[in-house]
Amino acid sequence: KQEVTQIPAALSVPEGENLVLNCSFTDSAIYNLQWFRQDPGKGLTSLLLIQSSQREQTSGRLNASLDKSSGRSTLYIAASQPGDSATYLCAVWASNYQLIWGAGTKLIIKP
Amino acid sequence: NAGVTQTPKFRILKIGQSMTLQCAQDMNHNYMYWYRQDPGMGLKLIYYSVGAGITDKGEVPNGYNVSRSTTEDFPLRLELAAPSQTSVYFCASSLDGRYAGELFFGEGSRLTVL
Repeated sequence: KQEVTQIPAALSVPEGENLVLNCSFTDSAIYNLQWFRQDPGKGLTSLLLIQSSQREQTSGRLNASLDKSSGRSTLYIAASQPGDSATYLCAVWASNYQLIWGAGTKLIIKP
Repeated sequence: NAGVTQTPKFRILKIGQSMTLQCAQDMNHNYMYWYRQDPGMGLKLIYYSVGAGITDKGEVPNGYNVSRSTTEDFPLRLELAAPSQTSVYFCASSLDGRYAGELFFGEGSRLTVL
């Protein structure tokens, strides 16, 4: 059974730092992996989708990597800003309809 | 651009009551999903639909029912509400499952059962 773990559960860093969020999964037979952002009281917003054949994806200050063999993905945020404060969720597409979710990392960027 | 619209945003139910959470999308997406999110936990799939008239169970379907009579609407019915159903419910849609990739979410419906 696929399980997705995100460590740490919470992270607080000063503005301007580069940071890495971690996501691990137990079964390397995944289709795609997706990173989302969730703001308090809001829905989720898709940040990056990595196809199973890809190793990384970039969007602005965000870079996500995927290593299927080790069951790991990382989300790198460059030059963090207070507006980046949110909960970041990692999810694995285990089938055509089924996303398996991590519990998220709550990120606080201190001005 | 409305995207995915959920109503109501908040609701308090008494044990044993029933209610329907509404979800509508205006993007002509085939796939629609209902998730619940409990504090400190990942989202759990309740039901999903791959098109009008087609629905199937997810990980945690007990106590819920769905229907998909149109492409746009995917209501979630709670029968005989229980305290264990206290959660935040999210509706989501995508064009074509994992092939399209991007999932669009509503803003959530916070349900409390007392």
